[in-house]
This record gives sequence, structure tokens and C-alpha cells, in this order.
Amino acid sequence: QQQVKQSPQSLIVQKGGISIINCAYENTAFDYFPWYQQFPGKGPALLIAIRPDVSEKKEGRFTISFNKSAKQFSLHIMDSQPGDSATYFCAAMNNAGGTSYGKLTFGQGTILTVHP
Amino acid sequence: NAGVMQNPRHLVRRRGQEARLRCSPMKGHSHVYWYRQLPEEGLKFMVYLQKENIIDESGMPKERFSAEFPKEGPSILRIQQVVRGDSAAYFCASSPGLVSAEAFFGQGTRLTVV
Repeated sequence: QQQVKQSPQSLIVQKGGISIINCAYENTAFDYFPWYQQFPGKGPALLIAIRPDVSEKKEGRFTISFNKSAKQFSLHIMDSQPGDSATYFCAAMNNAGGTSYGKLTFGQGTILTVHP
Repeated sequence: NAGVMQNPRHLVRRRGQEARLRCSPMKGHSHVYWYRQLPEEGLKFMVYLQKENIIDESGMPKERFSAEFPKEGPSILRIQQVVRGDSAAYFCASSPGLVSAEAFFGQGTRLTVV
């Protein structure tokens, strides 16, 4: 119930291409879905996040698509650049308060490599 | 405004020793979360603390692990009698405790047990 499943494990994209990473969740109490970017030796940094009341959110080259009925969400990176090469994690949270507040459940991660 | 500060960045301990990991949250943040990241895996929640209170420790191993967030000073994650399987990156995150607030992560402490 608490799992978030992420795919693919690794992804290689050419510069200028579109990178797509998918996640699926089971717990219908989740109501906040962030994506984190992590470079080697660094902590995760929030990239973009979405709530289930919208189906899409775009910030620059990064877009989250959300399908509430399928319990799936995905990250699209348009015009991928070598500097985007990093590990990407989807996550989910029950943001309604209580003891679960702020507790993130992470996917397994996707290692993205963008070739010049 | 300094970010979440974790120290040490790297820690090497022999089996059976104690490891102490420190986390100073961002200024104004009263909520601290600890996560563990094993090699090639995602982050796993360990514990959620507010000042002087443990709110949720459902992710903490039953033995050898403890955490505190005192009224003054950093949050401490303590691992007693470390074993090789404790080798991992330990991340701390903090948030101001408001609904919808973003949690900011530190750079982590990489623990190696030899």
C-alpha cells in the first residue's frame, strides 16, 4: 500500500530528446507527488511537484502528467541536456496532516544519462 | 539562509562502534526527517521529529537505532554497535511544518562500516 514503483531504472537520451520517467502508486491517501533530482554526492533537490486536483504541471522544460484514476504520474524532460544527467526520484506524500505529514515514500530512482 | 547542514559528510566506523550523525535544519524549520539510502536504491523513511518529540519512527529498525531533536542543538541519529549492513547514505530533511511546505534535504552523511 505504501509503495511507489518507478521505471525505467536507467535511461539514455540524446541531447535535445525527451526523457520520460514513470511512477505508479497504490495508496489513495497520497495527495502530493514531488519529483527530486539528485547528483552524485549530493542530497535530493525538489524539481517539480503536483497535487491530484490537476492533470498536468509545467515548469520550464519539466512537466508532470498525472492520471488519478490509473494512480500513475510521469516526468517529462523536454530538450534534454547533458546537465540533466542525474538520478531522478518520484515520491508521494499524504499531506493531510497527522503522523504521516511530510513523510515521503520514494520510488527506486532512474539514472538518466543525456549524451551530447 | 544556510541550507540543511549535515555532519560529518563521511564517517567510517568499525563493526561494533557507535555512529552519530548530526543534522541542523534550516533556520525557522521545526520539523526534521531522516532517510536512509542504500546503494542503487531509493530513499527510505526512518523517523520524523519535531523539537523534543518523536512523531513517527515507523521506519526505524527496532534495535540499535535512535534519534532525537533536542530543544537546543542539532538532531542526532545514533546507531549503536554498527554492522556492515548499516553502510549507507543517511539524509536529513527539514520543513517549517506548514501544510504544503517543501522539505529541503541536506547533502547526507555517508557511513561506511569496515
